[in-house]
Amino acid sequence: AQSVTQLDSQVPVFEEAPVELRCNYSSSVSVYLFWYVQYPNQGLQLLLKYLSGSTLVKGINGFEAEFNKSQTSFHLRKPSVHISDTAEYFCAVSYSNYQLIWGAGTKLIIKP
Amino acid sequence: DVKVTQSSRYLVKRTGEKVFLECVQDMDHENMFWYRQDPGLGLRLIYFSYDVKMKEKGDIPEGYSVSREKKERFSLILESASTNQTSMYLCASSSPGSEGETQYFGPGTRLLVL
Repeated sequence: AQSVTQLDSQVPVFEEAPVELRCNYSSSVSVYLFWYVQYPNQGLQLLLKYLSGSTLVKGINGFEAEFNKSQTSFHLRKPSVHISDTAEYFCAVSYSNYQLIWGAGTKLIIKP
Repeated sequence: DVKVTQSSRYLVKRTGEKVFLECVQDMDHENMFWYRQDPGLGLRLIYFSYDVKMKEKGDIPEGYSVSREKKERFSLILESASTNQTSMYLCASSSPGSEGETQYFGPGTRLLVL
């Protein structure tokens, strides 16, 4: 069965430091890749997505992600985090019609 | 702008009650989804619908049913609420094709069953 792995359940980082949230998926067939963000007590908001084309994808709030087909990874990065980035981040992959396969989420904790 | 709304943000119900959670989208999307979210377990798909009156079971359908009488509305029904159904419930919608199954989410309903 296809799966999505987010290797870190929590990532603590100091404010203004860079951050990388890791995401790996199980199959190298053609996929669409997504990162969503969930702020406390809210629904999920699309951060960025890879459908085709350039492997470096830019999203909202200064985030970007790189699609690496050979390593089946789609890691999320930001060069300098802010306290407002405190949230849970979910990676998701679309392999077929209708459904997304979700990672378990990574909580980004910003330390002042 | 894309919009998915859910009927309640917070809900408190008693064990055994019948509970209706409603979701409405204004994007003319074919697909709609109900998830539950629990700490450490991520998002788990309960049911989804790819057309009016069509539904498919997700990963955890037990104890739930759904209804989709109109394209814009997708209801989740807990026939007899139990305490283990206390959770955050998220509705989403998508349109197949060019967006690669991008899902758009509502704000969520936090349900407490006592």
